[in-house]
Amino acid sequence: GENVEQHPSTLSVQEGDSAVIKCTYSDSASNYFPWYKQELGKGPQLIIDIRSNVGEKKDQRIAVTLNKTAKHFSLHITETQPEDSAVYFCAANPNDYKLSFGAGTTVTVRA
Amino acid sequence: DAGVIQSPRHEVTEMGQEVTLRCKPISGHDYLFWYRQTMMRGLELLIYFNNNVPIDDSGMPEDRFSAKMPNASFSTLKIQPSEPRDSAVYFCASSWGPGANVLTFGAGSRLTVL
Repeated sequence: GENVEQHPSTLSVQEGDSAVIKCTYSDSASNYFPWYKQELGKGPQLIIDIRSNVGEKKDQRIAVTLNKTAKHFSLHITETQPEDSAVYFCAANPNDYKLSFGAGTTVTVRA
Repeated sequence: DAGVIQSPRHEVTEMGQEVTLRCKPISGHDYLFWYRQTMMRGLELLIYFNNNVPIDDSGMPEDRFSAKMPNASFSTLKIQPSEPRDSAVYFCASSWGPGANVLTFGAGSRLTVL
């Protein structure tokens, strides 16, 4: 099955700085790569996604890049704010319905 | 829409007891997923349904786990008998359409088995 590895496991940044989380996947058939944000006591919430026909996608302060040749994709958060503190999960789908999630990155934004 | 609704939010039970977790998906969503989240194993897909029919239950850990979806607005995940290693947060998520991988998660049910 699909194996998604995510790094780093924890990330601490100063408010206003950028944060980058990287993921690799194993199954070349994967074609959909979402990112979820999980706040304490809540379920994961989709924040951005990218499909394999696109190399980069941006939504305000967050962006995702995809390199299908190298099988890796990354989340970039610019101008971080305290409300960006959460656990972030990357995922990949080897088929249409079974997402495989990374282990998560705990992001802490220091004021 | 109120989103995906799960109950109970917290459950503490003793080993050997039956546990039933409940989920109401978003109206109109035809896919429903049950995930389990633990520190050791992260987010694991247990089972998913399409139009109330179980499609893939390969993630269900053992026969003590069962899931049903009697109608489009309700699903249950049952553990009988429960064991301490079942302690986790269980999430229900729903989505719609072909290639329906944009999931909306509920708030989760935190299960503690003593």
